[in-house]
This record gives sequence, C-alpha cells and structure tokens, in this order.
Amino acid sequence: ETGVTQSPTHLIKTRGQQVTLRCSSQSGHNTVSWYQQALGQGPQFIFQYYREEENGRGNFPPRFSGLQFPNYSSELNVNALELDDSALYLCAIRTARGYTFGSGTRLTVV
Amino acid sequence: GQQLNQSPQSMFIQEGEDVSMNCTSSSIFNTWLWYKQDPGEGPVLLIALYKAGELTSNGRLTAQFGITRKDSFLNISASIPSDVGIYFCAGPYFGNEKLTFGTGTRLTIIP
Repeated sequence: ETGVTQSPTHLIKTRGQQVTLRCSSQSGHNTVSWYQQALGQGPQFIFQYYREEENGRGNFPPRFSGLQFPNYSSELNVNALELDDSALYLCAIRTARGYTFGSGTRLTVV
Repeated sequence: GQQLNQSPQSMFIQEGEDVSMNCTSSSIFNTWLWYKQDPGEGPVLLIALYKAGELTSNGRLTAQFGITRKDSFLNISASIPSDVGIYFCAGPYFGNEKLTFGTGTRLTIIP
C-alpha cells in the first residue's frame, strides 16, 4: 500500500495568519489533490496538481493556493485565515485503484 | 453542481447484524468509490466500481454500481466492532478528475 504522509498532524493558527500544509508519498505520484473536510461533512475538493501544474479547482477562493514539486511532494497554502477555515485538510494521490488519502492535518483557527 | 446523497445518515446496530446503505446522485458517474473513515484519520478505500451493474466484494463488504449510473449500494455482512466509522461514497463526475463525496453514513454498534 502506498503511504501518504501529511504534516503537521495538528495546527492552531490565529485569524488573519497564513499556513502551509505539506504532503508526500512513499512512491512518487504525479497527481495530487487536496480536500477540506469540515466537522461532520464529507471532504470537499480544493484543487489538483498534475506534474507541478494546477489542473482542476473546486469552489475555493484564491487565498487557497498550492505547489507541487519535482519529487511530487505538495504544499497547500492558505492566506488570511478565517474561522471557517478550521477543518481537516486531506491530500490524496492518484493510484491504479483510485485515490489514496493521507491522515490529514487538523487546522484550528482561533 | 453534482451532489451525492447517502442514506441512512446514521445506523445503530448490534454486532453480527447485516448493514445496507446507499448513495444516489443527480448526475451520472462513471466510477463509484466507497471509503471508510475512522476518527482523526483520512478516508480509506474499501471498494471501487467501474462499470454499470458491477457487483464487487471485499471480504464481508459487497458493493454494486447501479444500472442507471446514478446510484450505488454497500452491504456489510455480520458486522463486527471494527466496522464502526463513517462510510462515504465518492465518484469522479464524468470527465472530471475531482472526487465528489457523499454526505456519509455513520455506523455505530450497540453493545
């Protein structure tokens, strides 16, 4: 099974701050997606990167941005944090079987 | 946009009982995925379905891809304590890479 590692596991930030979340996999995969999961809801698609370029975006404002690096690791950046940004942020890699998710980063904005 | 509705929203069952849940969509999907999520963890893929009418099993789990391409079903036989969690259906909308998730079914086993 391909492991997907996300860091940090938990994070507390203040409203207005900026945050960077990271994702990597044991085996390099050229497609990575990020999802936001609010408490009690299903994950919502933020965006997807393929070979270092964004190739799909959900209904999220521009202050949500990302990067994918040559080694296929990825970052999610959120600027000007709002209280409603508090959620579990998941990254997923595309595999032959479908999408494999990491354990997520729990972000709390206070 | 497309939505996936799951039912029931929650289930309270006794160990050993069989479980059935379903997922319906307002749009056609070309793939159905069933995930289970434990508290504090990411979703884990249980079963993937790729063809209308397909019936696939994974141990005690069985899932079916509806003929209309707008629904899918997941059954769990002889439930055990580790089946507790939230079950999500998901699928990439036809021609789109992003996954749309259902509203989830929370399974609780009553002692």
